[in-house]
Amino acid sequence: EVQLVESGGGLVQPGGSLRLSCAASGFTFSNYWMSWVRQAPGKGLEWVANINQGASEKHYVDSVKGRFTISRDDAQNSLYLQMNSLRAEDTAVYYCARPGVSTSWGVDCWGQGTLVTVSS
Amino acid sequence: DIQMTQFPSSVSASVGDRVTITCRAGQGISSRLAWYQQKPGKAPNLLIYAASSLQSGVPSRFSGSGSGTDFTLTISSLQPEDFAIYYCQQANSFPFTFGGGTKVEIK
Repeated sequence: EVQLVESGGGLVQPGGSLRLSCAASGFTFSNYWMSWVRQAPGKGLEWVANINQGASEKHYVDSVKGRFTISRDDAQNSLYLQMNSLRAEDTAVYYCARPGVSTSWGVDCWGQGTLVTVSS
Repeated sequence: DIQMTQFPSSVSASVGDRVTITCRAGQGISSRLAWYQQKPGKAPNLLIYAASSLQSGVPSRFSGSGSGTDFTLTISSLQPEDFAIYYCQQANSFPFTFGGGTKVEIK
C-alpha cells in the first residue's frame, strides 16, 4: 500500500523553528518528485515546495523562500521540511504529497497532514 | 506565479443535479490542470488530471474539460457523498498553484 506519514508538527513561538518529516512506503521513493502542501485553518490549499529525484532541483512559493528548506533522504525513504523564522501566517496543516508522473503532476498520494501552530 | 480563479465559490445543489465548476488560469497552461475533492478533516483526493483524465477509482459521473486558460469540472448527477470542497491546481509551472475552492452544499 502506498503511504505517506508526516510527523513533527506542534506549537512553536513566532521566530522559532520546526522540522517536519514524511515517511514514505509502498513505492520506489527515489523515483518521484515530492512536495509539501499546506492548508491554513478554514482556508484553501497552498503549494509550499517541490524537490526532484536526486534533490538537484527545488522550488518554493515566494512566501517561504529563504525560510523553509525542503530535503530528502532516499536511503531512508523520507522527505523533510525545515522551517525557520516561523510566522503566525505559517500556521497550517502541512501535507506531504507525491505528484504522479502518470497523473501529469496531479497529486495521487497524500499524507494525513501534521498541524503546525505558530503562536506565543 | 500563475493565479487560478475558481467560480462559483459555493453552490447549493440537490442530489441528482448536474453541477459545473469553472477554473480560470491567469495565463495559458495547456492541459496541465488537476481537480481535487476535499472533505472535512481529510486530505484532498485527486479526481481529474491533465484536464480531462479520470483518476483510477473515481466515479464516471466526474468529468473535466478545457485547455489553455478555461477549465470545467462537471458532476453529472450529484450524489450524497459528493458534498465537499473542490479545488483546481495548475501543473504548468512552479510553484504549482491552487484555485480558491468551490464548496458544494446541500440545497
